[in-house]
Amino acid sequence: GAVVSQHPSWVICKSGTSVKIECRSLDFQATTMFWYRQFPKQSLMLMATSNEGSKATYEQGVEKDKFLINHASLTLSTLTVTSAHPEDSSFYICSARGPSPGSPQFFGPGTRLTVL
Amino acid sequence: QKEVEQNSGPLSVPEGAIASLNCTYSDRGSQSFFWYRQYSGKSPELIMFIYSNGDKEDGRFTAQLNKASQYVSLLIRDSQPSDSATYLCRTGNQFYFGTGTSLTVIP
Repeated sequence: GAVVSQHPSWVICKSGTSVKIECRSLDFQATTMFWYRQFPKQSLMLMATSNEGSKATYEQGVEKDKFLINHASLTLSTLTVTSAHPEDSSFYICSARGPSPGSPQFFGPGTRLTVL
Repeated sequence: QKEVEQNSGPLSVPEGAIASLNCTYSDRGSQSFFWYRQYSGKSPELIMFIYSNGDKEDGRFTAQLNKASQYVSLLIRDSQPSDSATYLCRTGNQFYFGTGTSLTVIP
């Protein structure tokens, strides 16, 4: 299967700081990338969908000014959590899919964010 | 409206048995179906996908589509303790996931 990498795998930061998470598709061109968040023992929650070169589409209830998403190339998307607070502590997972209709999405390994 | 519905379980099967997981979908026009496995604390990984033109077998895993009843099944033969995980499904171009089905294989 295709490989999606994510960096960093874990991060601890102080409240009020910003954190950037990178997501890369290593062996395919990802026309669409997705960002999910998952709290312990809960389901994956889709935060936003982004297409290369376009603004991200955010799900209802997700603050776009707080969670900045940039999908600047066909292999890279970034999620910046601005002014992070303890309630933003979660497991953030990106995924990517290729251009063909019905193509599967592949997930990165996730980034565990802890805000102190 | 949820795109897919899964029995959240937990589903427990003895080692060596067949585990059967179902996913009911609402969009009759769905053409593609995906199964993911998520171990505790890890991200999901794609294990099977099929299109509306047929079932698929890959090793111990078989995905079967029942269009009339709008569900897709994942069968795991000769279940192993390492199969213990949460199994997620999604269909078509919808990228939302439910809680999935928790499977425990008992040694």
